[in-house]
Amino acid sequence: KAGVTQTPRYLIKTRGQQVTLSCSPISGHRSVSWYQQTPGQGLQFLFEYFSETQRNKGNFPGRFSGRQFSNSRSEMNVSTLELGDSALYLCASSTGTSGGSYNEQFFGPGTRLTVL
Amino acid sequence: AQTVTQSQPEMSVQEAETVTLSCTYDTSESDYYLFWYKQPPSRQMILVIRQEAYKQQNATENRFSVNFQKAAKSFSLKISDSQLGDAAMYFCAYPGAGSYQLTFGKGTKLSVIP
Repeated sequence: KAGVTQTPRYLIKTRGQQVTLSCSPISGHRSVSWYQQTPGQGLQFLFEYFSETQRNKGNFPGRFSGRQFSNSRSEMNVSTLELGDSALYLCASSTGTSGGSYNEQFFGPGTRLTVL
Repeated sequence: AQTVTQSQPEMSVQEAETVTLSCTYDTSESDYYLFWYKQPPSRQMILVIRQEAYKQQNATENRFSVNFQKAAKSFSLKISDSQLGDAAMYFCAYPGAGSYQLTFGKGTKLSVIP
């Protein structure tokens, strides 16, 4: 099975612009989560989508948004970029079923966003 | 709110030796999971080991094992017979009850000395 893929791998933007990142989960996985990784704040949860619905959201401003398509691919969008948005953005996929169990999240290689 | 604390920002170990990475967490849940993830310099995060809180037995995966102390809310990772490929950032992580929202510790950078 192919792993989680993220595109693009590297991105350079300037302040005020917006950016869209893409994540393709492992085939059959319906849950996609997004995380921001920075040296200062570490890994922080952004949001999780399951079957096109946002199930959980982290503590990020409204400039950060996401969506999930019927094929489970997910995109996240950051509008009005700030210097502090420079980070590695990781997505993770899982089968996403709940009911007391937990299924492993598989991470993608990440998208390195640099805001100038 | 759940918190995960890794008090060792960096550690080093000689090849073939054993090293233990520490993690403490805070939760009001009684049944939960805990994870150790490894992030090598290539950046792809992979799951090393998982522990289910209701299980008394500590989890083991080949050279990796945990020391899970539920009452103390401690979850340390022991790496035996360390190899050069073990050099990476290691993150302790806890998912919120019933969710896939992982809370990560700040990580421990492990160096393996040949």
